[in-house]
Amino acid sequence: EPEVTQTPSHQVTQMGQEVILRCVPISNHLYFYWYRQILGQKVEFLVSFYNNEISEKSEIFDDQFSVERPDGSNFTLKIRSTKLEDSAMYFCASFPREDGSEAFFGQGTRLTVV
Amino acid sequence: DAKTTQPPSMDCAEGRAANLPCNHSTISGNEYVYWYRQIHSQGPQYIIHGLKNNETNEMASLIITEDRKSSTLILPHATLRDTAVYYCIVRVAGSARQLTFGSGTQLTVLP
Repeated sequence: EPEVTQTPSHQVTQMGQEVILRCVPISNHLYFYWYRQILGQKVEFLVSFYNNEISEKSEIFDDQFSVERPDGSNFTLKIRSTKLEDSAMYFCASFPREDGSEAFFGQGTRLTVV
Repeated sequence: DAKTTQPPSMDCAEGRAANLPCNHSTISGNEYVYWYRQIHSQGPQYIIHGLKNNETNEMASLIITEDRKSSTLILPHATLRDTAVYYCIVRVAGSARQLTFGSGTQLTVLP
């Protein structure tokens, strides 16, 4: 069964450092998303990406966040200057098309900012 | 997207059917009901979705009331591996908009 792959599974970084979280969506999917989940809290939407541009973003997705799809396969989330409160699980997801069919989520990257 | 209401937690005996309710009284005609689950901080997993007819797949059944204001997810023979947080999400059809996760229902399957 096709799956969304995220790397690394766990990343520890010092406050103020830049991190890049990587995702390989399912190959024929068109819509890509990043979500995060702070420990014990809800899964929160960050950003959606379609046709090489951001289509929707939440208030959480401020200037310190960016996304790109550099090579047509990888989908990355960059946090420029990490804060303690960025510690969370980050999930990548993809949809095959726009008809509302199922989303496929990766297993997540646990980001710990120290 | 319409708001959903779910009980915060439920228990179910292993081997029995688990019936998880969801209220979505403000659902619109073009909104689907989706169910996802999250097993212990893993990525959410799609279970099933429907518009107005009852649906069944290899994982579960979805029963939607005739007025579409509520639905029930049924896991026919719950196992310990079904212990998870179950999310009921209402979403507009034909939209690639993001899924909005609520607090969900923590289902604990007891041996």
